[in-house]
Amino acid sequence: NAGVTQTPKFRVLKTGQSMTLLCAQDMNHEYMYWYRQDPGMGLRLIHYSVGEGTTAKGEVPDGYNVSRLKKQNFLLGLESAAPSQTSVYFCASSYEVGTLIYEQYFGPGTRLTVT
Amino acid sequence: KQEVTQIPAALSVPEGENLVLNCSFTDSAIYNLQWFRQDPGKGLTSLLLIQSSQREQTSGRLNASLDKSSGRSTLYIAASQPGDSATYLCAVRPALGNQFYFGTGTSLTVIP
Repeated sequence: NAGVTQTPKFRVLKTGQSMTLLCAQDMNHEYMYWYRQDPGMGLRLIHYSVGEGTTAKGEVPDGYNVSRLKKQNFLLGLESAAPSQTSVYFCASSYEVGTLIYEQYFGPGTRLTVT
Repeated sequence: KQEVTQIPAALSVPEGENLVLNCSFTDSAIYNLQWFRQDPGKGLTSLLLIQSSQREQTSGRLNASLDKSSGRSTLYIAASQPGDSATYLCAVRPALGNQFYFGTGTSLTVIP
């Protein structure tokens, strides 16, 4: 049981390049999330998904796209990277039982630098 | 929009001391509140989750309380150890919507 994994762990991009970050979870969770963490600003939600085939915008969605084609995977895409997207990206997943939504489990993060 | 604040931003205590970390939120209509620990360069590890109907949760030396009416949660750490040194974050899920809102964390250093 690997929990939540993220690929890659580190990446350096040039402005204008594109890339995809992969998040995978093996806990059969319905909910998945992408956050970015910046110094002094805490974690901010980029996009999230409440189930396979669904996605929704979070607090800071501009410049990012996501897809959830399979329940276990949640992809975050940057179509044209900008220096403002330099950050640490975290993926998380959680599950719901009845009306109770349980805790989030986080991946180890991807450190992205855009030059 | 829910605003989550954690004060102080940094805290340094001698080993063995009991300590309290604070988390405040602006909208009392919450679904649950979660406390995390983050070690440098690492992801977040869940410590405790309090549902809106609960007043507190305990795990080992950790105790988290929730007072929705005042918009506050506290994380109590008993008999602190150097291994407790990390950044502690709280996250609030509002009653409506699927988003979690995070505080900026308290960086804790426990001095041997």
